Parts: sequence; C-alpha cells; structure tokens
Amino acid sequence: DAGVTQSPTHLIKTRGQQVTLRCSPKSGHDTVSWYQQALGQGPQFIFQYYEEEERQRGNFPDRFSGHQFPNYSSELNVNALLLGDSALYLCASSLERGGAYTEAFFGQGTRLTVV
Amino acid sequence: AQSVTQLGSHVSVSEGALVLLRCNYSSSVPPYLFWYVQYPNQGLQLLLKYTSAATLVKGINGFEAEFKKSETSFHLTKPSAHMSDAAEYFCAVSDHSSGNTGKLIFGQGTTLQVKP
Repeated sequence: DAGVTQSPTHLIKTRGQQVTLRCSPKSGHDTVSWYQQALGQGPQFIFQYYEEEERQRGNFPDRFSGHQFPNYSSELNVNALLLGDSALYLCASSLERGGAYTEAFFGQGTRLTVV
Repeated sequence: AQSVTQLGSHVSVSEGALVLLRCNYSSSVPPYLFWYVQYPNQGLQLLLKYTSAATLVKGINGFEAEFKKSETSFHLTKPSAHMSDAAEYFCAVSDHSSGNTGKLIFGQGTTLQVKP
C-alpha cells in the first residue's frame, strides 16, 4: 500500500504565477482534504473533496481551487501566487462512512516557495 | 466554532524523563480529539485519537492522552522520553458537526526537544 502520495515534493514559483499540486489518496479512500502549513504553524484546512465535489471549505480566497477525479485523486490549484502562499501543502485522504469516524492519512506534503 | 490551544510552543525534557504536552479545546459538540507527530520535512502521523469511547487513550510509541471534559483538556504524556521522540506535536479537533469527519482544526504545535 503506497499510502497518500503527493507531487511534486518541492517547487519554486514566482509571484503572480499559477501552480498545481497533485495528490493520490490511500488505496480504498474516496475523500481528499487539503491543508496549508506555514512555517512554524499548524496546518490550516483549505477544502475537502468527495464525489468529485467540494464539500467543505476553509477560510481561503478563491485563488485556491481544486478538483477531484473519478479515481479519487485530487489537484490543488493556486492562482496569482503571493509570497505568503509559501508553505507546506498537505493532502489527507479518508473513507466516507456516513459520519462515522475514519482516520485521515497524510501525505509527505509539497513544499511551495514563492519568490 | 471549535478551536485548540496548545500551551507551550517548546518543551524540553531529558532522556528518560516524563513528557507532558498540553492541549485545551473548545467545542460546541462532543469532540473528536487527536494528537499528531511531525518529523522534519515529513507529513503528519497519527499518535492517538479520542472518539467518545474510553477517556484514557493509548497510542503508538508509548504515548497516551486523557480526555477530561470538565477541564476541556486532552494532554499528551509519555512516561520516559527517547531521543527519537524529538519532533513537532500537534493537537487537533475534528469538526464533525455536519456529520462527516473531514475537517481537522489544529493547534499551533509544540516542539519537543529531548536532551541526552
């Protein structure tokens, strides 16, 4: 079992550019959540995707958007990058069970640096 | 709204000493509570969780935590620290008020330093 895989592991972008981050969930999982972790901070929830739709969203601007594919993998897109978008972006996957608790598994993250 | 406060951004202990990392939560519904560990340049690994079963929860690597509703606390402990325990620790609460268990709300984190 490969667990949650994210790509790329690191990337550097220039202010104003656009970036796409990718996540493959753990085998058998159908729900993907994205988090932003700034240096020295706890992760902040960006949004969650289930059945190819955004189900919940945190307090992030519309520059942050996402997508979930039929195979449950997901992308996070950030437009018009700002220096403050520099962070570790974490993907977590879980299995929807009608409200019952299921553990979220995290990937290793993508380190985004905006210069 | 739910929130988590971790008391102490840095904790330093000697190898073999007791580890105590503090977490207080705020929740309008019975909470699900979690402790995660993060090693440098890595993702988050679940140490243990409380989901309304036993109030004393045992996790991996010898860690445990006790849910105390009266104190709104979920402190993490380990009787004897190992050098390998040095890492960043996050307390989190799950926002499952809408029926799903997706959104985790994290504290600011506590860096645990273990001295030889």
